[in-house]
Amino acid sequence: EDQVTQSPEALRLQEGESSSLNCSYTVSGLRGLFWYRQDPGKGPEFLFTLYSAGEEKEKERLKATLTKKESFLHITAPKPEDSATYLCAVQGSGGSYIPTFGRGTSLIVHP
Amino acid sequence: NAGVTQTPKFQVLKTGQSMTLQCAQDMNHEYMSWYRQDPGMGLRLIHYSVGAGITDQGEVPNGYNVSRSTTEDFPLRLLSAAPSQTSVYFCASSRELLYGYTFGSGTRLTVV
Repeated sequence: EDQVTQSPEALRLQEGESSSLNCSYTVSGLRGLFWYRQDPGKGPEFLFTLYSAGEEKEKERLKATLTKKESFLHITAPKPEDSATYLCAVQGSGGSYIPTFGRGTSLIVHP
Repeated sequence: NAGVTQTPKFQVLKTGQSMTLQCAQDMNHEYMSWYRQDPGMGLRLIHYSVGAGITDQGEVPNGYNVSRSTTEDFPLRLLSAAPSQTSVYFCASSRELLYGYTFGSGTRLTVV
């Protein structure tokens, strides 16, 4: 059974204070690791897919990295509009074709 | 291009009532899923479909039915609503197996 653990559960930052969110996973044959952003009252919005260890992807102030056991979402010089819940999901080679989600990290960036 | 459309946005049901949550996508995506999201529990998969006529159970399927008669539509039926089904329900679709999912805006369901 695929498992995803995200930490911390909540993170408060000052504007401009860089930090990282962690996603640890256990999966039988990783096919893909996904990052999503979810704003209050809305559905998750897709950010990145990472396929293999060592891969990195960037979007504005966000950079996602992947190792064989975990992924990090680095947030550089965050702004208040980066405040959201960030979700991680994994898809393995066994079981269903559908990703398993972690519980998310709630990020608040204060001006 | 509307993406994934869910209706209704809000619903209150009495225990024992049945209803259907509607989900439609206009992107010709083969993969569609239903998730429920509860505080502290994250997104849990209810049912999913890999194409028209093909559905399968996810992590928490009890009390729910689905069908996929067309590529566009993937309705979720609650057979006999229970307070434990109070949740926010999201429908999502994807073009291919390892592509990111496009989510709808959700249906907030309260069962009293």
